[in-house]
Amino acid sequence: EAQVTQNPRYLITVTGKKLTVTCSQNMNHEYMSWYRQDPGLGLRQIYYSMNVEVTDKGDVPEGYKVSRKEKRNFPLILESPSPNQTSLYFCASTRRGGFSYEQYFGPGTRLTVT
Amino acid sequence: GQQLNQSPQSMFIQEGEDVSMNCTSSSIFNTWLWYKQDPGEGPVLLIALYKAGELTSNGRLTAQFGITRKDSFLNISASIPSDVGIYFCAGQLGGGSQGNLIFGKGTKLSVKP
Repeated sequence: EAQVTQNPRYLITVTGKKLTVTCSQNMNHEYMSWYRQDPGLGLRQIYYSMNVEVTDKGDVPEGYKVSRKEKRNFPLILESPSPNQTSLYFCASTRRGGFSYEQYFGPGTRLTVT
Repeated sequence: GQQLNQSPQSMFIQEGEDVSMNCTSSSIFNTWLWYKQDPGEGPVLLIALYKAGELTSNGRLTAQFGITRKDSFLNISASIPSDVGIYFCAGQLGGGSQGNLIFGKGTKLSVKP
């Protein structure tokens, strides 16, 4: 089954404790991205990756890092989480080609930073 | 930055009624996507549109890519309780962009049995 997986689904942590949210896709897509979703603000892109070893900032990159060492994996790293990073996070994988453009989301990771 | 205006923000309807929602922008888009999100879950892709004027259906859902390429609408016919959720539009910008999506703020749909 074609899918995007994220782990963990839920995480409660404390300010300053480094954490990583993993993301994996089995569709062989080159383009992947991370979003955060907050009430009233909608989905905002944090980082994206056009291919292996190619990443770039989205709209709200401050406080986040990413890496893309393999095509299927795109982890999100919070080196020193702060309470304002409490949010619902989504990884997405995009099929692009010709006129086709379809973005598929993971199930989400709800992060609480105290 | 670019914005998508999605309306209405919320709808409360009776089961069996038809529903219509739309997204507009001042920017031109290459692609329109419509998603549904259930509480605590990731958005699920419903329909993808690629050409101005294109009309595409997926079961009781029908979406259209506006002729000006600046808008799109989604219709749901004969709504049922499981249609409840938040519906998002997303547009991929034209003009040689890297291909990032711009999202609407969503339409929250409630269906009364």
